[in-house]
Amino acid sequence: GDSVTQMEGPVTLSEEAFLTINCTYTATGYPSLFWYVQYPGEGLQLLLKATKADDKGSNKGFEATYRKETTSFHLEKGSVQVSDSAVYFCAPSGGTSYGKLTFGQGTILTVHP
Amino acid sequence: GAGVSQSPSNKVTEKGKDVELRCDPISGHTALYWYRQSLGQGLEFLIYFQGNSAPDKSGLPSDRFSAERTGGSVSTLTIQRTQQEDSAVYLCASSLWGARSTDTQYFGPGTRLTVL
Repeated sequence: GDSVTQMEGPVTLSEEAFLTINCTYTATGYPSLFWYVQYPGEGLQLLLKATKADDKGSNKGFEATYRKETTSFHLEKGSVQVSDSAVYFCAPSGGTSYGKLTFGQGTILTVHP
Repeated sequence: GAGVSQSPSNKVTEKGKDVELRCDPISGHTALYWYRQSLGQGLEFLIYFQGNSAPDKSGLPSDRFSAERTGGSVSTLTIQRTQQEDSAVYLCASSLWGARSTDTQYFGPGTRLTVL
């Protein structure tokens, strides 16, 4: 079945530092790729997505590029803020059928002032 | 507009009791999903409904778990004879079509279930 390997955390950064959270996946067919974020005390929400190879998803300064050749979807942000502290989940969506999400284990990010 | 809502937000029950968790998806969304978030297992898929099609129950961990969706809208997840390992946050999500992997799933706030 589908699987996701996500960079282990927790990740602790100072404000304005560069962030990379690695994500690689295995999936049947041609999945769409998602990053979801869970802020403290809040529900899971979409951060960004990409639906075909070489597409770049972006939102709130975060970016991730769909790399089919390396089956990766690494999340990056050039300058993190304290408000980015959250848990980040990488998730491919079923490639040959419907949109069932397979989640990575999540990466806890803490940003200090 | 209104997002996905779930009730109750918290549920504490005794081992062996049955519980029902409710999900109201976004109006007009044809696909509805249940996931479970626990410390040991992370976020895992449980069941999927798409329109009037038979649900995909492949993620349900045991026959104590069941779910239904009435009128293509509200869904209820039922856990019979609860066990302590059922303690988790149960998340519901909906999407517009579901049959396409490109669809974004919108999540509810979850129900935190604690089995004593």
